[in-house]
Amino acid sequence: GAVVSQHPSRVICKSGTSVKIECRSLDFQATTMFWYRQFPKQSLMLMATSNEGSKATYEQGVEKDKFLINHASLTLSTLTVTSAHPEDSSFYICSAETGTGNTGELFFGEGSRLTVL
Amino acid sequence: SQKIEQNSEALNIQEGKTATLTCNYTNYSPAYLQWYRQDPGRGPVFLLLIRENEKEKRKERLKVTFDTTLKQSLFHITASQPADSATYLCALYNFNKFYFGSGTKLNVKP
Repeated sequence: GAVVSQHPSRVICKSGTSVKIECRSLDFQATTMFWYRQFPKQSLMLMATSNEGSKATYEQGVEKDKFLINHASLTLSTLTVTSAHPEDSSFYICSAETGTGNTGELFFGEGSRLTVL
Repeated sequence: SQKIEQNSEALNIQEGKTATLTCNYTNYSPAYLQWYRQDPGRGPVFLLLIRENEKEKRKERLKVTFDTTLKQSLFHITASQPADSATYLCALYNFNKFYFGSGTKLNVKP
């Protein structure tokens, strides 16, 4: 299957700083990428949908100025948590689906554990 | 409101038995439904997809059913093994987005 690489896998930062998480599709072109957030023992919560070359579409309740998403190429999307606070600590996961001919399968990255002190 | 419900209690079964997990949803009209496996601290891994016009799908020891009238999917693992222990998530594809249930943790005891 297709591979999605997410980096970093773990990051600890101080409150008020910004953190960037990268999501790369290694062996396919991802026209659409999704960013999820997951709290312990809870579901993946969709934060936003990003399409290559256009602005991300954010879900209701997700601050777009807080969570900056950039999808500059067909293989890379980034999520930047700006001015991070302890409540932003969570597990962030990206996923990608291929374009034409996709089976409907989502390919997930390994996730990034963010801890804000 | 829209809901995707999976049993939050862990399912404990003996090795060799069949595990059955349930996914119920309300106020969605999914074009298809998927099941994923998630291990602790890892991203989900795709297992099976079933479309709205399909009633059953099989893949090796896995079987998924989809009843759009009941708004329910059942996920079966036959001849379960300890290595099957994980959290299983169902996901609905609705209007170009994927929405996930909270998952059910499966424990298969040797």
